[in-house]
Amino acid sequence: AQSVSQHNHHVILSEAASLELGCNYSYGGTVNLFWYVQYPGQHLQLLLKYFSGDPLVKGIKGFEAEFIKSKFSFNLRKPSVQWSDTAEYFCAVNAGNYGQNFVFGPGTRLSVLP
Amino acid sequence: DTGVSQDPRHKITKRGQNVTFRCDPISEHNRLYWYRQTLGQGPEFLTYFQNEAQLEKSRLLSDRFSAERPKGSFSTLEIQRTEQGDSAMYLCASSADPGGNGNQPQHFGDGTRLSIL
Repeated sequence: AQSVSQHNHHVILSEAASLELGCNYSYGGTVNLFWYVQYPGQHLQLLLKYFSGDPLVKGIKGFEAEFIKSKFSFNLRKPSVQWSDTAEYFCAVNAGNYGQNFVFGPGTRLSVLP
Repeated sequence: DTGVSQDPRHKITKRGQNVTFRCDPISEHNRLYWYRQTLGQGPEFLTYFQNEAQLEKSRLLSDRFSAERPKGSFSTLEIQRTEQGDSAMYLCASSADPGGNGNQPQHFGDGTRLSIL
């Protein structure tokens, strides 16, 4: 069965610091990869996605992620975080013959100090 | 685009009772998903529909759980004989996926929080 791991449970950064959140998945076939964000009191929202093409994908709010197939990784990055980036971040993988089953990681809570 | 709507927002019930949640997806989204999320965890897949057809159900899901999407629009999730362990946030998501290859993002609702007394 596919699984998704996220390296950090809670990350605390100061504003303007750089961010990298790790995500690894276990599935040998073709996958679609997503990062979702959940701001306090809000529903999950899509940050970015990868399903083919350039392995470096750019999303909203200055986020980007790099798909490294050999490492089964899809790490999320942002060069300079803001206080408003405080949220929970979830990596998700979609695989299977019809892409029917989404598997989410446990999430990483990001706290940005002003 | 009015977003995915879930009702109720919060349900409190006694152990052993049945509960039913409703999800209204974004209009014309053909895929609808149900997830369960507990504190400190990511959403856990429960089941999904393509139009009115329920195409997959988690093997970990108890037979006490059932979902329907009778006309391919709104969906209901019913839990029978609720147990303490059913306490969680139940999330609904929808996506427009005409190609059926799963690479379209899901739009999530705010969820229904179930509390079992």
